[in-house]
Amino acid sequence: AQTVTQSQPEMSVQEAETVTLSCTYDTSENNYYLFWYKQPPSRQMILVIRQEAYKQQNATENRFSVNFQKAAKSFSLKISDSQLGDTAMYFCAFMTNYGGSQGNLIFGKGTKLSVKP
Amino acid sequence: DTGVSQDPRHKITKRGQNVTFRCDPISEHNRLYWYRQTLGQGPEFLTYFQNEAQLEKSRLLSDRFSAERPKGSFSTLEIQRTEQGDSAMYLCASSRPNTGGNSPLHFGNGTRLTVT
Repeated sequence: AQTVTQSQPEMSVQEAETVTLSCTYDTSENNYYLFWYKQPPSRQMILVIRQEAYKQQNATENRFSVNFQKAAKSFSLKISDSQLGDTAMYFCAFMTNYGGSQGNLIFGKGTKLSVKP
Repeated sequence: DTGVSQDPRHKITKRGQNVTFRCDPISEHNRLYWYRQTLGQGPEFLTYFQNEAQLEKSRLLSDRFSAERPKGSFSTLEIQRTEQGDSAMYLCASSRPNTGGNSPLHFGNGTRLTVT
C-alpha cells in the first residue's frame, strides 16, 4: 500500500524568504503522480503543483517548485519569496496511474505553514 | 466555472440520527469524489463516481455510509445511525476524465459534521 509522510507538522517563515516543505512516500509502482495541495484556514483545498513520476524535470509554478528525487522517494516543495497569503496547511499527495484507483489521492498529514510579516 | 458546491456547510446531529450531504460538481466534470478529513489529518478517500457509476469504495466506507449519483450530476452522501467517530469534514471533489492524474481534482468547501 502507498503511504505519504510529512515530517514537519508546523513551520514558519518570514515574509519574502524561502521555505522548503518535506514529503516522502512509499510505493512499489513506477508510474504515478505527486501533488502539493494548499488548504487556507476555513477555505477550500486548491492544487499548488503537480509532478509526473516519469518526468525527470522538476515542476515549477511561479514561486513554487519541487525537488523530486524518485530513487529516494522524496518530493519537497520550495516556496520562494513567501507571501502572507501563503499561510495555510500544505498537503503532499500521491496518485497511482493504474486501474480503478486513478483519482484516489493518498494524502499526508499536512504541514501548517505560517508566514510572518 | 462556478466551483464545487457542498451543502450544508455545517451539520450538528445527535448520535443515532441519519444525515445526508449534497455535492454539486463543476458542470463539465464527470468524475466525483468523496473524502473525509478529521482534525490534524489529511483527507482520506471514501469513494468516487464516473458519471453515475460508483467505481471504487474505500474500506473506510462502512455499511452505514452510502453514496449515490443517480443522474451523473450531483451526488449525495448519507450516514445512517451516526456515531461520534463520524465527526469530521466531508470533502467533495470533481475532475474531468482522469487520464492518470492529468486532470486535477477541484475541491469544495466541505461539510463539517459534528455528532453529539
